Amino acid sequence: SQELEQSPQSLIVQEGKNLTINCTSSKTLYGLYWYKQKYGEGLIFLMMLQKGGEEKSHEKITAKLDEKKQQSSLHITASQPSHAGIYLCGADSPGDKIIFGKGTRLHILP
Amino acid sequence: GAGVSQSPRYKVAKRGQDVALRCDPISGHVSLFWYQQALGQGPEFLTYFQNEAQLDKSGLPSDRFFAERPEGSVSTLKIQRTQQEDSAVYLCASSHRDRGRTEAFFGQGTRLTVV
Repeated sequence: SQELEQSPQSLIVQEGKNLTINCTSSKTLYGLYWYKQKYGEGLIFLMMLQKGGEEKSHEKITAKLDEKKQQSSLHITASQPSHAGIYLCGADSPGDKIIFGKGTRLHILP
Repeated sequence: GAGVSQSPRYKVAKRGQDVALRCDPISGHVSLFWYQQALGQGPEFLTYFQNEAQLDKSGLPSDRFFAERPEGSVSTLKIQRTQQEDSAVYLCASSHRDRGRTEAFFGQGTRLTVV
């Protein structure tokens, strides 16, 4: 079965600094999703990537899918306190469900 | 509705008690998913509906877990004879996934605590 590994598990950065979160799949990715979760709340959709080499940006967040479609990265530029939370990568899995990694917990220091 | 709505937001159950968790998906969304999220973990797939048909229930941890979506809209996840290990956040999501790969929209979740 497909598994997603996220790194790092936890990240503490100073406000204003850049950061990158990685997601690696054990199998080829046909649909890769990034979600953000505030502590104790539901998941908020950020971006979806499907094609090898694809890159999407929204405000200060950029997500990329590598050419081999087995790894994705999420990059945040000039981090702000509002970026704090749990970032989850998800992947399309047989049977139409989305499977998730364990998440990366991001803390922003003022 | 504007988003996926789940109720109750919080539920405390005594061990052995039955519970029912409700999910109202986004209007018109064909697909509906249930996930279980333990503390500090990512969401784990439980079951999937397309309209009223339960197409995949491979993630349900035991026969104490039962889900239904009788009219293809609202769904209920029922847990019988709750155990402490059932304590988790239960997330519901809906999407237009019958139209190809597309994102799923999540509700706020129901936090179940079994004491």
